[in-house]
Amino acid sequence: NAGVMQNPRHLVRRRGQEARLRCSPMKGHSHVYWYRQLPEEGLKFMVYLQKENIIDESGMPKERFSAEFPKEGPSILRIQQVVRGDSAAYFCASSPFSGAEGYTFGSGTRLTVV
Amino acid sequence: AQSVTQLGSHVSVSEGALVLLRCNYSSSVPPYLFWYVQYPNQGLQLLLKYTTGATLVKGINGFEAEFKKSETSFHLTKPSAHMSDAAEYFCAVSDQGDKIIFGKGTRLHILP
Repeated sequence: NAGVMQNPRHLVRRRGQEARLRCSPMKGHSHVYWYRQLPEEGLKFMVYLQKENIIDESGMPKERFSAEFPKEGPSILRIQQVVRGDSAAYFCASSPFSGAEGYTFGSGTRLTVV
Repeated sequence: AQSVTQLGSHVSVSEGALVLLRCNYSSSVPPYLFWYVQYPNQGLQLLLKYTTGATLVKGINGFEAEFKKSETSFHLTKPSAHMSDAAEYFCAVSDQGDKIIFGKGTRLHILP
């Protein structure tokens, strides 16, 4: 049973470009959580999604960031018009149920904006 | 609102010595508490968690933590450090809801 798969592992974008980060949850997991890790910081919650629904986006920046988890396919975190400050590691976690007990984390996508 | 404070962003211990990483939390409801470990350029791996029941929780790799409600603490310990324990450790809290709130992490250095 494959774990939570995130791709790409590393992503380099120029300022102003778009970044798309993908997260395929574990089989049977219908809950996905995205976190951002800045250097010397812990992980900050961004958004919680179930299939086709955004449940909690209280940690998402108001502009340029969006997330989706379609009925088929991976969850996507999209960052439009990236800026240097978006450089970070982005982690997703999946769970078979709502609640923090069941989290399994992926290995992350490291975004570098040049 | 929940929060987590990890005392010491860097901790150094000698190989074979006791490891103690401190964590204090705040939560308005009985919390779920977690310790995660992150090796360089990798994701987070769950070391142990407390939800209910016994307050002394044993995890992987010989680590354990004790939930002390009166002190709002959940310190992580290991009797004897190994070189392979060098990593970053994150304490985290959840109010039994969906989100986990993380501390800023403690980087553990093992001295030969």
